[in-house]
Amino acid sequence: GENVEQHPSTLSVQEGDSAVIKCTYSDSASNYFPWYKQELGKRPQLIIDIRSNVGEKKDQRIAVTLNKTAKHFSLHITETQPEDSAVYFCAASNSHSWGKLQFGAGTQVVVTP
Amino acid sequence: DAGVIQSPRHEVTEMGQEVTLRCKPISGHDYLFWYRQTMMRGLELLIYFNNNVPIDDSGMPEDRFSAKMPNASFSTLKIQPSEPRDSAVYFCASSLGFGGGRETQYFGPGTRLLVL
Repeated sequence: GENVEQHPSTLSVQEGDSAVIKCTYSDSASNYFPWYKQELGKRPQLIIDIRSNVGEKKDQRIAVTLNKTAKHFSLHITETQPEDSAVYFCAASNSHSWGKLQFGAGTQVVVTP
Repeated sequence: DAGVIQSPRHEVTEMGQEVTLRCKPISGHDYLFWYRQTMMRGLELLIYFNNNVPIDDSGMPEDRFSAKMPNASFSTLKIQPSEPRDSAVYFCASSLGFGGGRETQYFGPGTRLLVL
């Protein structure tokens, strides 16, 4: 089955700097890659997703890139703000079992003022 | 829409007792998912349904766990008998379907379960 690895496990950045989280996946058939943000004690919420027919997607300060050949995808947050502090999860699934999201272990991002 | 609704929000029980977690998906969503989240194992998919039919239950840890979806607006996850290692946050999520943004999964607030 699919295996998703996520790095780093923790990331501390100064407010205004950029944050980058990287994930690798094992199943070459994976074609859907969402990113979820989970604040302390809250539910995971989708912040951005990308499909395998697209190499990059951007939404304001957040961008995701996908390298299908290398089987890795990354989340980029620019101009970080304290409210970006949370745990971020990457995930992957394929069209044969698209509902079966395999999540990475998560990255704790701390943005210090 | 109120979003995905879960009850109870917190549950404390003793080992050996039966625990039933409840979920109401977003109206019109055809897919429903049950997840378990722990520090050690992260976020794990337990089972998911399409139009009330279980599609994949390979994540259900063992026979003590069972899930049902008797209709489009209600699902239960039951643990019988419960054990301390079942302590976790259990999330229910729902989505419209597949493709064109329909696969976005919306999570409920979760049920925090503590088995003593």
